[in-house]
Amino acid sequence: AQTVTQSQPEMSVQEAETVTLSCTYDTSESDYYLFWYKQPPSRQMILVIRQEAYKQQNATENRFSVNFQKAAKSFSLKISDSQLGDAAMYFCAYLHAAGNKLTFGGGTRVLVKP
Amino acid sequence: NAGVTQTPKFRVLKTGQSMTLLCAQDMNHEYMYWYRQDPGMGLRLIHYSVGEGTTAKGEVPDGYNVSRLKKQNFLLGLESAAPSQTSVYFCASSYSKVGSAEAFFGQGTRLTVV
Repeated sequence: AQTVTQSQPEMSVQEAETVTLSCTYDTSESDYYLFWYKQPPSRQMILVIRQEAYKQQNATENRFSVNFQKAAKSFSLKISDSQLGDAAMYFCAYLHAAGNKLTFGGGTRVLVKP
Repeated sequence: NAGVTQTPKFRVLKTGQSMTLLCAQDMNHEYMYWYRQDPGMGLRLIHYSVGEGTTAKGEVPDGYNVSRLKKQNFLLGLESAAPSQTSVYFCASSYSKVGSAEAFFGQGTRLTVV
């Protein structure tokens, strides 16, 4: 069974600074997808960024970028120029390309200090 | 365009009572999912559906039943609630498999079983 581990329960960052969230996963599959979801206090789950395992190029969405290391099974999220609105829980998630079960990590709470 | 709507948003049940959570989506999505979120454990898949009239078990299906009689609705039932089912429940939907299309989430239902 696939597992997703987020080793940082909480991270704090100064506004306008950069923070990196770590995520590791365990799988024997070669074709899969990885995601980062943001969950603000409103509880709404929002897709931040998606990475296809067959793509070597790291995905980027505005201030959010990932460092995908397939051999190491690592998928970290970098938030640049942090803003107060970035404060939220962030979840890493894994999906096997032929599957339907989206597996989540335990989450990392990001605090942004003004 | 409402997206994914969950009803109710909050509920308190006594042990042994039953209830049904309703999820409705207006995006004509084929896939629908029910997750539960517990502290430190991310989201875990309870049941899912790949189309009208179909359902399948996820990671933690025990104590829950589901039905997908209409494409736009996915119901989650608790026949005899237990304190272990105290959690936040999320419904999600996607056009096709989660990896090839974004999954949209409802705002969650906070359920407390006393």
